Amino acid sequence: DTGVSQDPRHKITKRGQNVTFRCDPISEHNRLYWYRQTLGQGPEFLTYFQNEAQLEKSRLLSDRFSAERPKGSFSTLEIQRTEQGDSAMYLCASSNYRDIEVTQYFGPGTRLLVL
Amino acid sequence: TQLLEQSPQFLSIQEGENLTVYCNSSSVFSSLQWYRQEPGEGPVLLVTVVTGGEVKKLKRLTFQFGDARKDSSLHITAAQPGDTGLYLCAGAFDTNAGKSTFGDGTTLTVKP
Repeated sequence: DTGVSQDPRHKITKRGQNVTFRCDPISEHNRLYWYRQTLGQGPEFLTYFQNEAQLEKSRLLSDRFSAERPKGSFSTLEIQRTEQGDSAMYLCASSNYRDIEVTQYFGPGTRLLVL
Repeated sequence: TQLLEQSPQFLSIQEGENLTVYCNSSSVFSSLQWYRQEPGEGPVLLVTVVTGGEVKKLKRLTFQFGDARKDSSLHITAAQPGDTGLYLCAGAFDTNAGKSTFGDGTTLTVKP
C-alpha cells in the first residue's frame, strides 16, 4: 500500500494561467475527495467521486474549477484563469465506501502559489 | 450548515505536561476522525471513533467519543516535542454524505 500520492507537490504560477493537479488514491479505494486548505484553517471540502461519478460539488468550486476521474482511478483538478485567492494547499483523500467508518486517508497535498 | 468547533486554538506547553483538546458540534456524528498535520504536509490519520462513549488509546494519546456522539476529546500524557503539530478533528454527519467537515484545529507546541 503506497498511500495517496499527489503531483506536483508545489506549483508557482502567474495570475491568469491554468494549472492541473493529479491525485492517485489508495488502489482499492472507490471514493476520492478534493479539499482546499488555507493557512490557519482546516481543510474545506471541494468535491468527491465514487468510482468515476462526481457525486457532490461544493459551492466553493467555482466555474473555473473542474475535476475529473475518468476511469475511476486517478483524478485531476484543473483551475483555469488562476487568481491570487486560489493560493492554498490542495489536498486529495481517498476512502473505501464499504467501510462503515468512512475514514479518509490524505495525500501530502499540492501547494499552489499564484503570483 | 454543520459546524465543528475545536478548542483551544493554540496551546503551548512544556515537555512532560499533560493536555486535552476538544472537538464539539451541535449535530450528531456518524463517525469522527482525529488527524495530525505538520507544516506543508497532508493530515495523517490518528484514529476513527464510531460508537458513543468509545475510548481508544494510541500510546500516550487517549481519544474519547461523547455518549451522544456530538463531541470528542484528545488527551496527551507526558507530551514530547515530537507531538508538536496541528491536531484536526473531522466529522462525518452522514455515512452517505461523502465528505468530512473539519474543525480549524488546535496548534500544539511542546517546548523541550
